[in-house]
Amino acid sequence: EAGVAQSPRYKIIEKRQSVAFWCNPISGHATLYWYQQILGQGPKLLIQFQNNGVVDDSQLPKDRFSAERLKGVDSTLKIQPAKLEDSAVYLCASSPSLNTEAFFGQGTRLTVV
Amino acid sequence: AQRVTQPEKLLSVFKGAPVELKCNYSYSGSPELFWYVQYSRQRLQLLLRHISRESIKGFTADLNKGETSFHLKKPFAQEEDSAMYYCALKAGGTSYGKLTFGQGTILTVHP
Repeated sequence: EAGVAQSPRYKIIEKRQSVAFWCNPISGHATLYWYQQILGQGPKLLIQFQNNGVVDDSQLPKDRFSAERLKGVDSTLKIQPAKLEDSAVYLCASSPSLNTEAFFGQGTRLTVV
Repeated sequence: AQRVTQPEKLLSVFKGAPVELKCNYSYSGSPELFWYVQYSRQRLQLLLRHISRESIKGFTADLNKGETSFHLKKPFAQEEDSAMYYCALKAGGTSYGKLTFGQGTILTVHP
C-alpha cells in the first residue's frame, strides 16, 4: 500500500516568515498525527486528529502553529511567524484508529535562518 | 505525565556481539511500550511492541514493570542493524494513541 506522503521534503525560510507543510495519510486511516523532531531529540507530538476532529493539541504552540484536517483526509500544518527554534523535522503519521500501529512519512526538514 | 529515557546516545558493537539498548520509562498507568527504528535515509518504522511478545529481526524486548524498563536485546548483532532506535510509550485516557518517544540511540555495528 502507498505510504504517508509529505511535502515538501525540505524548506529553508527566514525567521518571521510563514511556512506550510502538507500530509496525505494512508487511505482509510482515521487518525493523523503531526510530530516535531528537533535535532538530537525524539519526535514530540504536536497535534493528533481523529477524522477531522482534534484529539490532542496540548503541545502545539498555538500562538504560531496551526493545523487542520479538512474532510478528514489530508492535513496541513502552518507556522506563522517562524522562529529559529522551529528548525526541525516535521513528521506526519497515520493509523487506522487510535489503538493501531502508526505509519510515518519521510518528514519535512525545516531550517529557519 | 509520561517520560521515556534512553541513557545512551551512541552504542557501538562488533558484528556477532550481543547488543542491548536501554529504555526506562515513567508512567503512572499501565503502559504500552514500543521500539521504533530508522535506518539511513528511511522513514521511522515500528520494530516491535511489548504486547505482541515477538522477536523481529532477532530483536526481543521484555517489559519489566518493577524496574520500569523495556530494554531491546539481540544476541548477535549484524551490520544491517546499524540505525537509530527509539523507545516509545503509548498512554491511555485522553491521550490515547499519543506516543512519547525517548531521545534515541544510534547503534553502529562494525564489521
